[in-house]
This record gives sequence, C-alpha cells and structure tokens, in this order.
Amino acid sequence: GQQVKQSSPSLTVQEGGILILNCDYENDMFDYFAWYKKYPDNSPTLLISVRSNVDKREDGRFTVFLNKSGKHFSLHITASQPEDTAVYLCAAGENSGGSNYKLTFGKGTLLTVTP
Amino acid sequence: EAAVTQSPRNKVAVTGGKVTLSCNQTNNHNNMYWYRQDTGHGLRLIHYSYGAGSTEKGDIPDGYKASRPSQENFSLILELATPSQTSVYFCASGGDRGNTLYFGAGTRLSVL
Repeated sequence: GQQVKQSSPSLTVQEGGILILNCDYENDMFDYFAWYKKYPDNSPTLLISVRSNVDKREDGRFTVFLNKSGKHFSLHITASQPEDTAVYLCAAGENSGGSNYKLTFGKGTLLTVTP
Repeated sequence: EAAVTQSPRNKVAVTGGKVTLSCNQTNNHNNMYWYRQDTGHGLRLIHYSYGAGSTEKGDIPDGYKASRPSQENFSLILELATPSQTSVYFCASGGDRGNTLYFGAGTRLSVL
C-alpha cells in the first residue's frame, strides 16, 4: 500500500490567504519529514524539512507541523503569493543503515494561488 | 550547489529495445536515487545506491536494473522497454542522514 498519502490532489487559494497541505504516513520507522516544491517541467526542490525529535519548524512563510502519534505532518503557508503556485510533494524518510536514508514521496498536491 | 546532470533529456525508444538513462553528480554524495514521475502517482522510487558498487531495489524495481560504477555515476537500465515505462525519470543525489535530495532536470522517455 501507499506509505505516504496526500489527501488533496489539488487546492486553490486566493492571494494573501493561508493554506494547509496535509500528509499521512504509515511506516513507524520514518524519522525525517520534508516538503518539496515542483514547478511544471522543472525538478523538485526542498522547501522545508523536520526530524522526528521536533514537532514544528518555521521558515518564513512556511511552517511544517509533525504529529507523530497521529502519523501526520502538514505544511502551512501564510500570505500566499501567485508564485507559490506549484505541485507540493510531501516526503518521509527512514534510516536504512548508517547514514543512509530512503525517501518515499506522496502523490503531490497541485496548489493554485489566484490573484 | 549540488549539480546532478541527467542524459539524455528526451528519449524515444521502441518496445523491446534497450534503454540506458545516465546520471552524474559532482558533489561526492554517497546516495543516489532513480524515481519516475507519473500523473496521479507522484514520485516513485525505482532503485537507489549507497555508494559505488551498490544498488538497492526501491518500491517499483520490476523491469529496471541499475548500475553504480563510481561515486559520480548512476545508470538506470531498461533491458526490454515497454510502453508502460513511458514516463519522466528523475535522478537525485544526497539523502545522507535524511538531508536534502538534489534532483536532476529529468529525462522524458517515450516507449512506442
């Protein structure tokens, strides 16, 4: 089954609004959680990440919240801008030995910010 | 900044033919990954490697082989390409201790 699930294939928000993207996971061994951003015909780039010993991390307009007991993490974006329009991919990582990690991605959420 | 270069950028192959996708990274990362991206599926892990000489099966390895002859290079091989393997393939490096993955620009493969 799918180990990392994004609940919404798409979201639309008006410029200046606040939005929340959600991700659920199944694997108890995941201890690293990230959000990647992908523009059409471009490669994914890391937006923000958090380790399992932290339940919140903020970077400017972007905040990731981790709920380990609920196996859920989310991305909050404030003051949304048209340039935030992109596909957002959540990812969870497990340590597979030493310093080696394997990242599993969700299906992605297409976010559209309208002017 | 991490540099991951994929070649070719676009490829058209015939069913049953052999396809090799190449990836080169210049940042001395131990870990390298091959993903495919399909509408409705996001990024799915095909094969990955922890260093030269090592390859590991990802979540969807069937129909693919991988080769890591050196720290810098990681190839994805389709011995007998099928139309279901039409996709965009991304190579990435990094991932040590869960750190950032750096992706290449992608290879668009069409199998006819």
